[in-house]
Amino acid sequence: EAGVAQSPRYKIIEKRQSVAFWCNPISGHATLYWYQQILGQGPKLLIQFQNNGVVDDSQLPKDRFSAERLKGVDSTLKIQPAKLEDSAVYLCASSRSPSGRATLDTQYFGPGTRLTVL
Amino acid sequence: AQTVTQSQPEMSVQEAETVTLSCTYDTSESNYYLFWYKQPPSRQMILVIRQEAYKQQNATENRFSVNFQKAAKSFSLKISDSQLGDTAMYFCAFMKHWTGNQFYFGTGTSLTVIP
Repeated sequence: EAGVAQSPRYKIIEKRQSVAFWCNPISGHATLYWYQQILGQGPKLLIQFQNNGVVDDSQLPKDRFSAERLKGVDSTLKIQPAKLEDSAVYLCASSRSPSGRATLDTQYFGPGTRLTVL
Repeated sequence: AQTVTQSQPEMSVQEAETVTLSCTYDTSESNYYLFWYKQPPSRQMILVIRQEAYKQQNATENRFSVNFQKAAKSFSLKISDSQLGDTAMYFCAFMKHWTGNQFYFGTGTSLTVIP
């Protein structure tokens, strides 16, 4: 079974520029998550999709961040314009279904995209 | 709101010995799940072990086991026979039951296994 794929792995941009990250979840996984992990901290959920609908985006800075999951498979996360404090690793994760059972709800993570904003 | 606390930012252990990582959480929920994830320097998060709160028996996965104390809201991870490949950041995570799977992560413990 292929894992969660993310690209690019690394990105360096200047502040006020735009950037986009891509995620391909594990095949058949209905739920997709984007996390922001700042150095020295645990991952913080930005947005959660179930199929192509948004379940939770309460911690997404909507003035500059946007995400979509067209067709309920791949997803993109965009930052426009970027700020210095957006420097972090952006992790994508997926889980099979929101069944409320831990064995099915376990999240599988991609390798992440390390963003540096100069 | 749920909070997850890992009070040990860094730990080290000699190869082949045993180490315990601590995790406490705060919740008013009665049904939930707890997880330990490992994040090696390559940064890919990997599930280590999971525990369902309604189960009294502590979960075990080979060299990894947990000590789940529901009343104390404690969920520690024990790694036996530590190996060099165990060197990583370890995150404790909490998930409420039937809420769409939102995870709450602790700040992590950096574990170094010393040869």
